[in-house]
Amino acid sequence: AQSVTQPDIHITVSEGASLELRCNYSYGATPYLFWYVQSPGQGLQLLLKYFSGDTLVQGIKGFEAEFKRSQSSFNLRKPSVHWSDAAEYFCAVGARNTGTASKLTFGTGTRLQVTL
Amino acid sequence: NAGVMQNPRHLVRRRGQEARLRCSPMKGHSHVYWYRQLPEEGLKFMVYLQKENIIDESGMPKERFSAEFPKEGPSILRIQQVVRGDSAAYFCASSQTFGTEHMGGANVLTFGAGSRLTVL
Repeated sequence: AQSVTQPDIHITVSEGASLELRCNYSYGATPYLFWYVQSPGQGLQLLLKYFSGDTLVQGIKGFEAEFKRSQSSFNLRKPSVHWSDAAEYFCAVGARNTGTASKLTFGTGTRLQVTL
Repeated sequence: NAGVMQNPRHLVRRRGQEARLRCSPMKGHSHVYWYRQLPEEGLKFMVYLQKENIIDESGMPKERFSAEFPKEGPSILRIQQVVRGDSAAYFCASSQTFGTEHMGGANVLTFGAGSRLTVL
């Protein structure tokens, strides 16, 4: 069974600073990988996804993530954080076999706080 | 496109009552998923449904919980005889396609805003 670890529960960065949120997964093969963002009291919005091909994936709102097979990681990055980026970020993995591909396993999330 | 619609957004129930949560998928989506988010935790998969079929309910508690997605109308997650431990946010998601043969927009879940259940 797949699993996702987000080692940082809470991160605080200054507006304009760079950001990296860590995500490690456990899965027997190359999975589908996702990053979602959740604003307070809201649902989840997809930031970006990796299925195959280029390991550096561009998403919305200036985010990107890099799939590193050797490290089983899919870290999320943004070069310059905006105050509106304050939210909870979830990494998720989906199994790469028909029948379970959309049954995503989520990490416990990283809460991002942005200081002005 | 109204997106995934969930209602009610907030629901308060006393112990022993029933809770019904509704989810209308995005237009053109025929797959519905329910997830539960306990306080300070990530989302946990509960059940995956297509119209009139439960495809995967491996995440559903064995008792008191049921889900359906009828031919007409929204998907419903039903919790009977609620207990305090059922207090959580319940998220519905929908998708357009399924399976590794459908790339591009495949396997991308669109989430609703959630229904927050509080059991007193």
